[in-house]
Amino acid sequence: EPEVTQTPSHQVTQMGQEVILRCVPISNHLYFYWYRQILGQKVEFLVSFYNNEISEKSEIFDDQFSVERPDGSNFTLKIRSTKLEDSAMYFCASSHLTASSYNSPLHFGNGTRLTVT
Amino acid sequence: AQSVTQLDSHVSVSEGTPVLLRCNYSSSYSPSLFWYVQHPNKGLQLLLKYTSAATLVKGINGFEAEFKKSETSFHLTKPSAHMSDAAEYFCVIRYNQGGKLIFGQGTELSVKP
Repeated sequence: EPEVTQTPSHQVTQMGQEVILRCVPISNHLYFYWYRQILGQKVEFLVSFYNNEISEKSEIFDDQFSVERPDGSNFTLKIRSTKLEDSAMYFCASSHLTASSYNSPLHFGNGTRLTVT
Repeated sequence: AQSVTQLDSHVSVSEGTPVLLRCNYSSSYSPSLFWYVQHPNKGLQLLLKYTSAATLVKGINGFEAEFKKSETSFHLTKPSAHMSDAAEYFCVIRYNQGGKLIFGQGTELSVKP
C-alpha cells in the first residue's frame, strides 16, 4: 500500500538555524498538509497546499514558515530561523480528493521529530 | 464553527473487556468524521471514517463507531480490548472538502493484562 514518507525521522538543530523537513506524498494525491504536535499537546494544523499554492494556513504558520513542492514528488516545510518552541513532531499528510470524495481521509507520514536546542 | 471534543483524556481497560472512547462534535452541517490512532513513536493511522451511507462504521482491528446525529456523537468502540490496542486515539472532523482536519485532544487508551 502506498505510504507518505518523511525524512529525516529526527532532526536536531540550534536556535536560529534553518531547517527543511521533507515529505514524499502518495503519488496520485492532490492535497498536501503539514501538521505539528508539540509534546503532550494536540495535533495542530499548519498549512494545506493544492495546485501549487497554499490553500489555507493557521495562525501558527507565520513568516518563518514556508512550503514548497520543488518537483513532482517532494513537499517540503522550511523553518527559516528556528525557535525553542518549534520543537515538535511534524507530520506531513496527503489526500486524494475529487468532487465526490468529501470523506477522503488524510494519509499521514510517521513524522519528523524536530528538536531545537 | 466545527470542533470535536473527546470526553476522556485517559481510559484504562482490562484485556478482553469492551472499549468505549467518547467523542462529541459540533458542526453547522453534515460533518466528515474520522478516528485516527497513534502508537508510541509512530505516525497517525486511519482507523475508520464516517460516510453518510451508514451510521455504523466498521474500521480496522475490530473497531467501530456509530454516528448519532441526535446526540452529536461519534463514539469509538471495540468489543474486546487487546494489549496491542494501547495507543492514543484522536477523533477528527474535516472542516470542508479539501480542507484541514481538526483534531480532538486525544484519548490515551491503556490496556491492562
